[in-house]
Formats: sequence, C-alpha cells, structure tokens
Amino acid sequence: GDSVTQMEGPVTLSEEAFLTINCTYTATGYPSLFWYVQYPGEGLQLLLKATKADDKGSNKGFEATYRKETTSFHLEKGSVQVSDSAVYFCALSRGGGNKLTFGTGTQLKVEL
Amino acid sequence: NAGVTQTPKFRVLKTGQSMTLLCAQDMNHEYMYWYRQDPGMGLRLIHYSVGEGTTAKGEVPDGYNVSRLKKQNFLLGLESAAPSQTSVYFCASNGQGAGYQPQHFGDGTRLSIL
Repeated sequence: GDSVTQMEGPVTLSEEAFLTINCTYTATGYPSLFWYVQYPGEGLQLLLKATKADDKGSNKGFEATYRKETTSFHLEKGSVQVSDSAVYFCALSRGGGNKLTFGTGTQLKVEL
Repeated sequence: NAGVTQTPKFRVLKTGQSMTLLCAQDMNHEYMYWYRQDPGMGLRLIHYSVGEGTTAKGEVPDGYNVSRLKKQNFLLGLESAAPSQTSVYFCASNGQGAGYQPQHFGDGTRLSIL
C-alpha cells in the first residue's frame, strides 16, 4: 500500500537557520504530494502541494519539489522564524475519495 | 467563518462506555473524514464519506461507526470504548472542483479512555 516516510524529530534550529525536512513516499502511479502544518492546539493546515513530477510547491517561504526519480518531496526554507515552530506532515493522495496518507510528522522548534 | 467544528474538545470515558463525536462544517463540502492522531504514527484515516448518506472504511475502522445523515454533519461513534482508542481525533472536509481541493481540519477532540 501507499506510505510516506519522513525524518524523525524534533528538529531544533536557531532563528534564520536553513531548514530541510526529508520526505520520501511509496505509491503506485502518480500521487499528489502535500505538506501540512500543525500549530500547537490546532488542526492541520495545508502548507503547499505539488500534483505532478518536477512541480515545485511554495508558500510562506517554504518550498518542496516533487522528485519522481527519487520518490521524494523534501521541505525547505531558507531562514526559519520562531513562528515556524510546529509539526510538519508530509502526505500523499492517490485515487478516489481524495484520501490522504500521512507521514508520522516532524516537530520543528526554532529558538532565538 | 466557523469552517470545521468538532464537539466536544475534551472527554474522559471509562472502558465500555459509548459516545459520539460530532463534526460540523459550514462550507457545503461533499467529502468528510475522521482521523486519529497518535504519537509516532501521524494521522490515520478511520472512516470517510463522499456525500450525504454515504460512508466508507479507512485504514483503521475497527471499533468505530459513522453516519452522514446530513451533508454538513459527520458523526463518529464508539460503541464500547477501549483504552486503545485513547487518541486525538480530527475531522476534515473538502469540496469537489477542478484540481486538488485541500482538506480543512477541525481543532481536534482529545479523548481519554480509562
């Protein structure tokens, strides 16, 4: 079946540091790929998406490129802020019903 | 601008008790979902619905039942609660349309089974 693997956390960075959170997937066909973010005490929010190979999703300074050859969708940001502290989930969608398969989540902590 | 509202936010149950979690959305969305979130396991889909009167099983449906009698509401029931069902439950919805329609999530229900 479909699966998503992402790096374990927590990831602790200083403000203005470069962020990479790795995500790889296993799925047949051509899934759509997503990053969701969960701030403390809240539900998940869509951060960015890519629906086909070589697409780059971007939002709020975050970027991720759909790499079919390496089945990856790594999340990057050039300069993180304290307000970016949250849990980040990589996910894929394939087939009917728009169902999502999530990775286990990576907690990011940004310190001053 | 309520979006997706989950009721209750917190609940403590004893083993064997039953309860219903309510999810309401005001966006006229066709699709609705129930997930559970457990440490180290991400979110796992319990049941989902692609329209009023329809339901389908997700990845971890055992021990849960759902109903979608009205388009705006999606109920998750636990008939006989077990400690393994201690979790944070999230409801989500999304509409239909051209291209991907993102799922909108509620703020979650934290459920403890003693």
